[in-house]
Amino acid sequence: EVQLVESGGGLVQPGRSLKLSCAASGFTFSNYGMAWVRQTPTKGLEWVASISTGGGNTYYRDSVKGRFTISRDNAKNTQYLQMDSLRSEDTATYYCARRDGGYDYWGQGVMVTVSS
Amino acid sequence: DIQMTQSPASLSASLEEIVTITCKASQGIDDYLSWYQQKPGKSPQLLIYDATSLADGVPSRFSGSRSGTQYSLKISRPQVDDSGIYYCLQSYSTPPTFGGGTKLELK
Repeated sequence: EVQLVESGGGLVQPGRSLKLSCAASGFTFSNYGMAWVRQTPTKGLEWVASISTGGGNTYYRDSVKGRFTISRDNAKNTQYLQMDSLRSEDTATYYCARRDGGYDYWGQGVMVTVSS
Repeated sequence: DIQMTQSPASLSASLEEIVTITCKASQGIDDYLSWYQQKPGKSPQLLIYDATSLADGVPSRFSGSRSGTQYSLKISRPQVDDSGIYYCLQSYSTPPTFGGGTKLELK
């Protein structure tokens, strides 16, 4: 059974950092591109970043470029999202998703709240 | 960025109806279009990918189609369990962009 389990969310002050993890199981992790997608009640679903199978290619939405870093460790079947210089507008539920056609599997989501 | 204009924002339908949700892309996306269902408190679930392909385990009452740059999700004889919010996503170009969502209520 494919499973994606996010962790690392929480409450953080503006300007601080947070690192999300997504532990994958039930499939050959290194064969799939992965992504982070976030959701807020006001903006809906927003793609945040994607990473290729080997990690050599990464892509970001403009609003997080230079602040967020997506990475993966295929030996640990885990992808990460390092979020620096966090802003209030980064407050959202963050989902880890597997890319195959569309995003065929999603984690349960982890809440990130940026507030003083 | 490619804009995905999804309509309607909400609809209420009976179990005998055929439900149709549409997404119009601001430019051609070569069928790199997928549809998702999301229930309250849950993560989105893939229904359709590549505009017309049914994802594994998705009932055959769901189908996808295209006319020009307008993509449609059809639910034939919906079930009560099909209530939820539906989203389209284009993955033709970066950044991938989602439609605004359609809240479906079945009566």
